[in-house]
Amino acid sequence: EVQLVESGGDLIQPGGSLRLSCAASGFTVNSNYMSWVRQAPGKGLEWVSVIYRGGSTYYAGSVKGRFTISRDNSKNTLYLQMNSLRADDTAVYYCARGSEPPRTGVFDYWGQGTLVTVSS
Amino acid sequence: DIQMTQSPSSLSASVGDRVTITCRASQDISNYLAWYQQKPGKAPKLLIYAASTLQSGVPSRFSGSGSGTDFTLTISSLQPEDVATYYCQKYNSAPSITFGQGTRLEIK
Repeated sequence: EVQLVESGGDLIQPGGSLRLSCAASGFTVNSNYMSWVRQAPGKGLEWVSVIYRGGSTYYAGSVKGRFTISRDNSKNTLYLQMNSLRADDTAVYYCARGSEPPRTGVFDYWGQGTLVTVSS
Repeated sequence: DIQMTQSPSSLSASVGDRVTITCRASQDISNYLAWYQQKPGKAPKLLIYAASTLQSGVPSRFSGSGSGTDFTLTISSLQPEDVATYYCQKYNSAPSITFGQGTRLEIK
């Protein structure tokens, strides 16, 4: 059974850093495209970042240069390193698995989410 | 960037009603369109991909149609458990992924 479990969310001050983790089971994180999607309180879904099977990474303009997506194949875990955090980064962060080709941009499994609150 | 616009933003319908939600893309995205259901406090759930293909395990009362720029999600007979917010998502130009703003569905 495929499962994704996020952790690492916290209350953090503006300008601070945080690393989110997403532990996967039932598949290997390097066999699928893996993304982070966030949802600000009471708002819609916003794609944040993706890491391809080959290791290429891409980011939304709003986080480029501040966030870094990575994975540890030995731990079967996806990460999101978030630096220079701002109040508008406050959101629930979900990790999501991309489906098999050709629909790698379709998210067939999601974690339960982890809340990041950026506030002084 | 391609924008995704859903309508209505919210709607209220009665149990048993046929419900239709529309999603419009600002450019042609062929059939690279997915629909998700998000219940309060839960993660989104994939309902439909490739505009009209039902994800495994999703009830057959859900259906999708459209191509190019105009798409619809239809619930043939609304059930109480369908109360949720529904999102469309385009995935035609990886890695760029965009969601619609969501449609909140309530029971009258």
